[in-house]
Amino acid sequence: DAGVIQSPRHEVTEMGQEVTLRCKPISGHDYLFWYRQTMMRGLELLIYFNNNVPIDDSGMPEDRFSAKMPNASFSTLKIQPSEPRDSAVYFCASRRTGANVLTFGAGSRLTVL
Amino acid sequence: QKEVEQDPGPLSVPEGAIVSLNCTYSNSAFQYFMWYRQYSRKGPELLMYTYSSGNKEDGRFTAQVDKSSKYISLFIRDSQPSDSATYLCAMSAINTGNQFYFGTGTCLNVIP
Repeated sequence: DAGVIQSPRHEVTEMGQEVTLRCKPISGHDYLFWYRQTMMRGLELLIYFNNNVPIDDSGMPEDRFSAKMPNASFSTLKIQPSEPRDSAVYFCASRRTGANVLTFGAGSRLTVL
Repeated sequence: QKEVEQDPGPLSVPEGAIVSLNCTYSNSAFQYFMWYRQYSRKGPELLMYTYSSGNKEDGRFTAQVDKSSKYISLFIRDSQPSDSATYLCAMSAINTGNQFYFGTGTCLNVIP
């Protein structure tokens, strides 16, 4: 299996621009998670899906953040408009029902100038 | 108080040393305990997984869970420069749904 695939790996944008991060979970994994990692706060759960349905989005910081999962093999995290404080590494992770561990992607490093 | 506390380090040790990494937690309901290793500019990868209390060994790595003290440890024997990474502890419980609680990570540097 290719693992969890994220794109882009790096994104540099200017404040106010829209940012879209993409994730392909491992085939057969029915849970998908979006995390944000910063030095100060570590890994923070933003939102997770089960069978493509958003279950808990309480970690989404503001209305500027939105996430979708149109099918079992694809999810997006969108930030509009982006702000410098959104600069972080965004990770996607997946797991299957019954497994108590997460498999992470390589992350998308976002820099907002 | 955070759910999971982990000393951020950095921790520098000479090659061959025994390394001890630790986390404390506050929720006595946690049952599943994990250690992830994260190399620079990479995603966390699962290193060890244990359920409930006790020890688990895998090669040079040993994970220990002491639920009475709410304390978990990861020991690395004969540390190698390739072990240089950030180590994150994580834990969850049945009643926390899909919340995985992560420590902030300890940065380990093994000096050749």
